[in-house]
Amino acid sequence: GQNIDQPTEMTATEGAIVQINCTYQTSGFNGLFWYQQHAGEAPTFLSYNVLDGLEEKGRFSSFLSRSKGYSYLLLKELQMKDSASYLCAVMDSNYQLIWGAGTKLIIKP
Amino acid sequence: IAGITQAPTSQILAAGRRMTLRCTQDMRHNAMYWYRQDLGLGLRLIHYSNTAGTTGKGEVPDGYSVSRANTDDFPLTLASAVPSQTSVYFCASSDQAGGQETQYFGPGTRLLVL
Repeated sequence: GQNIDQPTEMTATEGAIVQINCTYQTSGFNGLFWYQQHAGEAPTFLSYNVLDGLEEKGRFSSFLSRSKGYSYLLLKELQMKDSASYLCAVMDSNYQLIWGAGTKLIIKP
Repeated sequence: IAGITQAPTSQILAAGRRMTLRCTQDMRHNAMYWYRQDLGLGLRLIHYSNTAGTTGKGEVPDGYSVSRANTDDFPLTLASAVPSQTSVYFCASSDQAGGQETQYFGPGTRLLVL
């Protein structure tokens, strides 16, 4: 079966750095997405990786290793507004997104 | 309007009743999707449409139907609601299906079936 694993919850301090990991086993791979979802709101797109390596976008970076079935989202200079759930999703061989359950990130002052 | 709208925002429904969740996008996107989101689970695809006039089944299609008569609208119908269909329903769209196409989500419909 297809599976996306990410930690259920993480806690970090304002101003710090946090890394959210995602491992996947899917039938085929056509890219990996990270979305942010604030409580009670819709998911919004953060990043896309299809090749191995690091993609940097401001305070957020996303890394992919296809051989290891592994990705992480790195958030720097954490702000209180970064408190949200972070969803990892993989596009499979049928070009459908398989979603992880999300990681709830709690930022403390 | 800009982006994707969904209606209603929330609904309480008696089991056995028929219900249609509405979704409209104004981005002229070809592909549209319906997901449900349940606590502790990832988003699960119910149905999708790669272009107007075509639809396909996702991971959890049973009890749901869709239509895509035009580019903008993608309604989801529950023919006879059951309590297990209590969930948050998100409609999404992308310019094209597949590849690196980002999916954009509507605000969601919170449905409680009693």
